[in-house]
Amino acid sequence: SQKIEQNSEALNIQEGKTATLTCNYTNYSPAYLQWYRQDPGRGPVFLLLIRENEKEKRKERLKVTFDTTLKQSLFHITASQPADSATYLCALMDSSYKLIFGSGTRLLVRP
Amino acid sequence: GAGVSQSPSNKVTEKGKDVELRCDPISGHTALYWYRQSLGQGLEFLIYFQGNSAPDKSGLPSDRFSAERTGGSVSTLTIQRTQQEDSAVYLCASSLQGKSAKNIQYFGAGTRLSVL
Repeated sequence: SQKIEQNSEALNIQEGKTATLTCNYTNYSPAYLQWYRQDPGRGPVFLLLIRENEKEKRKERLKVTFDTTLKQSLFHITASQPADSATYLCALMDSSYKLIFGSGTRLLVRP
Repeated sequence: GAGVSQSPSNKVTEKGKDVELRCDPISGHTALYWYRQSLGQGLEFLIYFQGNSAPDKSGLPSDRFSAERTGGSVSTLTIQRTQQEDSAVYLCASSLQGKSAKNIQYFGAGTRLSVL
C-alpha cells in the first residue's frame, strides 16, 4: 500500500544550526512533492514544491531535495531560528489529484 | 475573504448529537478539501470537491459523515450521531485548480470538535 513516512520523533537543535527533516515514501511515483509548515492551533501553510525532475529547490533559508530513486525528500532549514519551531509536513499527490500527507515532524529550535 | 474561513473554531457536543462544520474557501478556488487531524497525527483525507464534478468521498470514515458544497463555494461537513472517536480538528483547504499536479492547498485554522 502507499505510504509516506516522516520521523515521528521531534528534532531538537540549537539556534544557528541546520535542521534536516526526512520524508520517505513507498508505492508512489509522484510528479511533485510539497512541504508545509503547521503551527499549533493553525492549519498547514505551503512552503515549497519540487518536481520529480528537479534535484533541489531553494527559497531563502529553505532547501528541498527530491530523490526519486531513493524515494526520499530532504527538507533543510539553514541558520535555524526559534521562530522556525513548528511541525513540518510533506505531501504527495496521488493519481486522483488528492494530496496525501505524512504525519509530520516537529522541529524545536533552542535559543 | 483573504483566506479560508472555518466556523465554529471550537465545538463541544454530546455523544449522539449531529454537528455541522462550515468552510468558506478563497474566492475563485474551484477545489475544496476536508481533512481530519487527531491529536499529534497527520492529516486524514475525508472528501474533495472539484468544480461541478461529483465529489471524491473515498476518505469518509462512515455513512455518518457527509458533506456538500453549495454554489461551488461554501461547504458544510455534517457528522450525524457523533461518537467520541470523532473528536479531532477538522481542517478545510481550497486550491485554485484541484486537477493540477501543482495543487497548492490553502488551509483554514480548523474546527476543534470535542464529543463528550
